[in-house]
Amino acid sequence: EPEVTQTPSHQVTQMGQEVILRCVPISNHLYFYWYRQILGQKVEFLVSFYNNEISEKSEIFDDQFSVERPDGSNFTLKIRSTKLEDSAMYFCASQGQISYEQYFGPGTRLTVT
Amino acid sequence: RKEVEQDPGPFNVPEGATVAFNCTYSNSASQSFFWYRQDCRKEPKLLMSVYSSGNEDGRFTAQLNRASQYISLLIRDSKLSDSATYLCVVNSFGEGGYNKLIFGAGTRLAVHP
Repeated sequence: EPEVTQTPSHQVTQMGQEVILRCVPISNHLYFYWYRQILGQKVEFLVSFYNNEISEKSEIFDDQFSVERPDGSNFTLKIRSTKLEDSAMYFCASQGQISYEQYFGPGTRLTVT
Repeated sequence: RKEVEQDPGPFNVPEGATVAFNCTYSNSASQSFFWYRQDCRKEPKLLMSVYSSGNEDGRFTAQLNRASQYISLLIRDSKLSDSATYLCVVNSFGEGGYNKLIFGAGTRLAVHP
């Protein structure tokens, strides 16, 4: 069964450092997403990506965040200068053309110290 | 009013019990509705989509009432392996008209022997 994969599973970084989180969506899917979940809180939408550009973004997704799909396979989330409050699980999801069902990767746990 | 509201739980039930989860949503423009399951520190996994006519998948039955903006999930003959957090999820459209998922905070279920 096709699945979304993410790397790394856990990233520890110091405040102010840049991090790149990587995702490989399901191969025939066209819509890609990043969500985050702060420990003990609900899953929150960050950004959606379609046709090589951002289609929607939330208030959380400020200028410190960026996404790209450089090679038609990997889908990345970059945080330019991490803050303590960026510590969370970051989930990538992908969606096909027919329904709004989204399939999630296993997540990257980001810890900012 | 929260976009998606669920009973906070936790629900502690014995094996074999029937358990019901309830959810309300605020955006009447939402078109797609889902139940996801999330195990501790894992990704949300799609359990089932919810259709207006109601749908059943084995021991799981989902219902949707658009007029009341209410969604339910019933688990019959609960198993130890059903222990997880159940997430009510509703689609929404951003300013650009693209889809994103809005998550409830989840209801934790603990099934005991």
